[in-house]
Amino acid sequence: AQKITQTQPGMFVQEKEAVTLDCTYDTSDPSYGLFWYKQPSSGEMIFLIYQGSYDQQNATEGRYSLNFQKARKSANLVISASQLGDSAMYFCAMREVDQTGANNLFFGTGTRLTVIP
Amino acid sequence: DAGVTQSPTHLIKTRGQHVTLRCSPISGHKSVSWYQQVLGQGPQFIFQYYEKEERGRGNFPDRFSARQFPNYSSELNVNALLLGDSALYLCASSLRAGGMNTEAFFGQGTRLTVV
Repeated sequence: AQKITQTQPGMFVQEKEAVTLDCTYDTSDPSYGLFWYKQPSSGEMIFLIYQGSYDQQNATEGRYSLNFQKARKSANLVISASQLGDSAMYFCAMREVDQTGANNLFFGTGTRLTVIP
Repeated sequence: DAGVTQSPTHLIKTRGQHVTLRCSPISGHKSVSWYQQVLGQGPQFIFQYYEKEERGRGNFPDRFSARQFPNYSSELNVNALLLGDSALYLCASSLRAGGMNTEAFFGQGTRLTVV
């Protein structure tokens, strides 16, 4: 089973509007971390925001916020006041506890966001 | 401060050949992880090294191997290249090996094309 599911291959948003990118996850581990990364065409994965499974409040980082609904196992990314530079691929990722201590990330298939002027 | 650096940026190899990809982590970071990103997919975990020891391995064949050097830089080696090995190979460094909120910093990747 997929650990991370992103059901939106592509999304369009008008400049200055808000957009929500969906992410659902699958884990039986009570302790996990959820991440969102932005990948521009250059290829580098840029960290945006983190949410821990025990965090009581939704994470926020500037124009990025994470809508964390634990019971639904969803961790949607909300980008407010979209800018042209936000056009990129966005990946949701999860980290679980690993017996060896490895901190590998499981990524979804991504959503391509296009901001329209 | 320099971020994660990977070399080369692009590479074209023939089926059956061997390839070595290199990664230098952020100064002070002791953990390096490698990911393969096939076109249209998210990155997939290949290896993690911490303090020169393998800490984790993804579901990849034995043709894939890696190592970490005393200066914490790392090499990813792939033998007997297949067309399906064509991908963007990403290296990520982090301070620690574990930790739920440990942030991974990624390089720009090496784009490998196998012909």
